[in-house]
Amino acid sequence: AQSVSQHNHHVILSEAASLELGCNYSYGGTVNLFWYVQYPGQHLQLLLKYFSGDPLVKGIKGFEAEFIKSKFSFNLRKPSVQWSDTAEYFCAVNREYGNKLVFGAGTILRVKS
Amino acid sequence: NAGVTQTPKFQVLKTGQSMTLQCAQDMNHNSMYWYRQDPGMGLRLIYYSASEGTTDKGEVPNGYNVSRLNKREFSLRLESAAPSQTSVYFCASRRDRGLNEQFFGPGTRLTVL
Repeated sequence: AQSVSQHNHHVILSEAASLELGCNYSYGGTVNLFWYVQYPGQHLQLLLKYFSGDPLVKGIKGFEAEFIKSKFSFNLRKPSVQWSDTAEYFCAVNREYGNKLVFGAGTILRVKS
Repeated sequence: NAGVTQTPKFQVLKTGQSMTLQCAQDMNHNSMYWYRQDPGMGLRLIYYSASEGTTDKGEVPNGYNVSRLNKREFSLRLESAAPSQTSVYFCASRRDRGLNEQFFGPGTRLTVL
């Protein structure tokens, strides 16, 4: 069965620090990749998505992610985090044209001001 | 355009009670989903509906039933609630099987005593 692994469950950073959250998936075929964010008390919102083309994807709020097919990875990055980035981040994968999205366990990011 | 809406926002049940969680979307999406979110486990798919009139089991369907009432509405029913069903429930929708992301509702926080 397809699975998604997020490397860190909790990350604490100071403002202006750089962020990288790891995500690996197990499916060997063509996949669609997503990062969602859940701010405290809110529903999930899409940060960015990858379907095809340039493996470096830019999303909202200065986030970006790089798809490395050979490593089955889709890591999320931000050069300089802000206190308002405090949230839980989820990586998700589905097979190309598939109907089921498989989520990682999530990474809780806390940014200290 | 409200997106995906869910009712109720909060619910407390006693073991053995039944209830239905309601979800509606106004984006004319074909696919709808029900997830549960538990700490450290990400979101897990309970049931989904690829189109009006069809439903399929996801990863954790036991103890739940669903109804795709029409294209807009997708309800989740707990026939006999158990404490293990204490969770936050999210409904989502997606336009079709193509290259689209899922849009999430605000969630229902359910506690079963």
